[in-house]
Amino acid sequence: EIVMTQSPATLSVSPGERATLSCRASQSVSSNLAWYQQKPGQAPRLLIYGASTRATGIPARFSGSGSGTEFTLTISSLQSEDFAVYYCQQYNNWPPAYTFGQGTKLEIK
Amino acid sequence: QLQLQESGPGLVKPSETLSLTCTVSGGSISSSSYYWGWIRQPPGKGLEWIGSIYYSGSTYYNPSLKSRVTISVDTSKNQFSLKLSSVTAADTAVYYCARLDLGATHFDYWGQGTLVTVSS
Repeated sequence: EIVMTQSPATLSVSPGERATLSCRASQSVSSNLAWYQQKPGQAPRLLIYGASTRATGIPARFSGSGSGTEFTLTISSLQSEDFAVYYCQQYNNWPPAYTFGQGTKLEIK
Repeated sequence: QLQLQESGPGLVKPSETLSLTCTVSGGSISSSSYYWGWIRQPPGKGLEWIGSIYYSGSTYYNPSLKSRVTISVDTSKNQFSLKLSSVTAADTAVYYCARLDLGATHFDYWGQGTLVTVSS
């Protein structure tokens, strides 16, 4: 099973600043990596797929990068609505399987 | 706009079977080549993929849950369902249904989730 490790567990950033979240895979997942945002009491929301493609309606301040085992989600200028928990998720080709990282909580500094 | 809605009992007794249904609206389960899946989230914890199903009935399960999970589809009702047997308190979680994109690499539409508590 591919294990996804996110860091840090909690990130404190001031509004308007840049946030950088990391996700590492225990073995290569190519570009089969997605990022989700989850707010309290809500379902996860797809932000990025294919490591770097923004999902429909996602603001340009969200960007993803990386391939293989190292991935990054960057939020260029934090807005109040961006404070949430972020999860990365990998897709394994065969047999089909999906694993999530443990999440990074992005909180207001 | 595609919408997914989970339904089922919110309380299940230990050793019994958890049963949930996901009703899809705004699109047909069988009209496109999508996979559909279940994901769960224990209170205060992260996300765990349970399994996925194709409209034709092909299924893939998380190996850690495979012995207890059955996912099925009813195209006539535009629904797919989850059964998890022999539940324990560790199965207490919010259960989400979701659609996988055409490449089946990520979950692009999610239901709102339903909390299932396992307790006597």
